[in-house]
Amino acid sequence: DIVMTQSPDSLAVSLGERATINCKSSQSVLRSSNNKNSLAWYQQKPGQPPKLLIYWASTRESGVPDRFSGSGSGTDFTLTISSLQAEDVAFYYCHQHYGTPHTFGQGTKLEIK
Amino acid sequence: EVQLLESGGGLVQPGESLRLSCAASGFIFSTYTMTWVRQAPGKGLQWVSTITGSGGNTYYADSVKGRFTISRDNSENKLYLQMNSLRAEDTALYYCAKYGEPGTFYYHKWGQGALVTVSS
Repeated sequence: DIVMTQSPDSLAVSLGERATINCKSSQSVLRSSNNKNSLAWYQQKPGQPPKLLIYWASTRESGVPDRFSGSGSGTDFTLTISSLQAEDVAFYYCHQHYGTPHTFGQGTKLEIK
Repeated sequence: EVQLLESGGGLVQPGESLRLSCAASGFIFSTYTMTWVRQAPGKGLQWVSTITGSGGNTYYADSVKGRFTISRDNSENKLYLQMNSLRAEDTALYYCAKYGEPGTFYYHKWGQGALVTVSS
């Protein structure tokens, strides 16, 4: 199984500041068939289901604010929130959909400092 | 608008069975691969099972293989998860989710979840 490891486990950032969450996979998730990384990011607020933010490592889902961006390739990926807003307080999960079983990172809790 | 509505959760004793349903609307159901993901209380996300649009291919996590069965009724736009021989460690909120466009493998939309509690 591909193990996904996020860092940090929790993060406190001031409003308007940048938040960065890292995700490392135990093997490459670069899909040779389309040269895209099979890596997605989800946001989960308390009492809500996860919401897709980013897919193919860097493609923003429709309707997601442009302060959210994804980067990385191979085994190392980053989710960046350029200017933290109060509504961004949530858990964030990375997800590899390269191999079965699909696996998730353990989650990163993002709070306001 | 895509909508996914799970039902069928509840409290059962270890060894008992439960069937979850997920009613889908707002998209051509038969075209999309569907999946179940669970989240134990206070924990992260765990993939459970996936079924292709036609229902011809199914996949299971090792932890549920042989106990859970995923199926779908494309005429009714419904996804199912039959859960047998339930264990305490199966206690979780079970989400159904729709894949992205055909050929993609991320989880585009999620339902609100159905809570399954296994306890004596």
